[in-house]
Amino acid sequence: GAVVSQHPSRVICKSGTSVKIECRSLDFQATTMFWYRQFPKQSLMLMATSNEGSKATYEQGVEKDKFLINHASLTLSTLTVTSAHPEDSSFYICSASDRTSSYNEQFFGPGTRLTVL
Amino acid sequence: AQKITQTQPGMFVQEKEAVTLDCTYDTSDPSYGLFWYKQPSSGEMIFLIYQGSYDQQNATEGRYSLNFQKARKSANLVISASQLGDSAMYFCAMSGGSNYKLTFGKGTLLTVNP
Repeated sequence: GAVVSQHPSRVICKSGTSVKIECRSLDFQATTMFWYRQFPKQSLMLMATSNEGSKATYEQGVEKDKFLINHASLTLSTLTVTSAHPEDSSFYICSASDRTSSYNEQFFGPGTRLTVL
Repeated sequence: AQKITQTQPGMFVQEKEAVTLDCTYDTSDPSYGLFWYKQPSSGEMIFLIYQGSYDQQNATEGRYSLNFQKARKSANLVISASQLGDSAMYFCAMSGGSNYKLTFGKGTLLTVNP
């Protein structure tokens, strides 16, 4: 099956710093990537949809300037949490859509656990 | 707008027994897909099974089967012969519309007892 990697898997940073999370599709081209946020014991919340070569589409309530998304190639999307604060601490998961799949399945990365001190 | 409802926050099952996790959905799209994912404590999302809205037969994947009742808008997951490793969070999700975004339910925490 298709593989999606995420790096780093875990990051701890100080308040006010920026953190970049990478999402890569390793064996397929992903025209669309999705970024989710998950708080403990809660469901996944879609933050934004990222299409290669174009600006990301953010869900309502998600700050574009806070969560910068870049989808520069068909295999890489990055999420940068700018000026991170403790309330940004969460589990961030990306997924990549394989358009060759019979039902446009999303393949998920292993997630990144962000802790802001 | 799409909506997924999982009414069971937690479920318990004895090892080797079968268990059904409930999922109901609501959508105005005539074409949609229904997914079940497993999320163990490690956090990774593991795809289990898919059912398309036009599929005539219920989907099956090994010990997983999806009880699709279109008129009732339900897509329950049945796990047969539960194993200790099945203990995890289970999410029902739906796709449809542009960009095939997924809408997730709140999840059901399944615990398999020895």
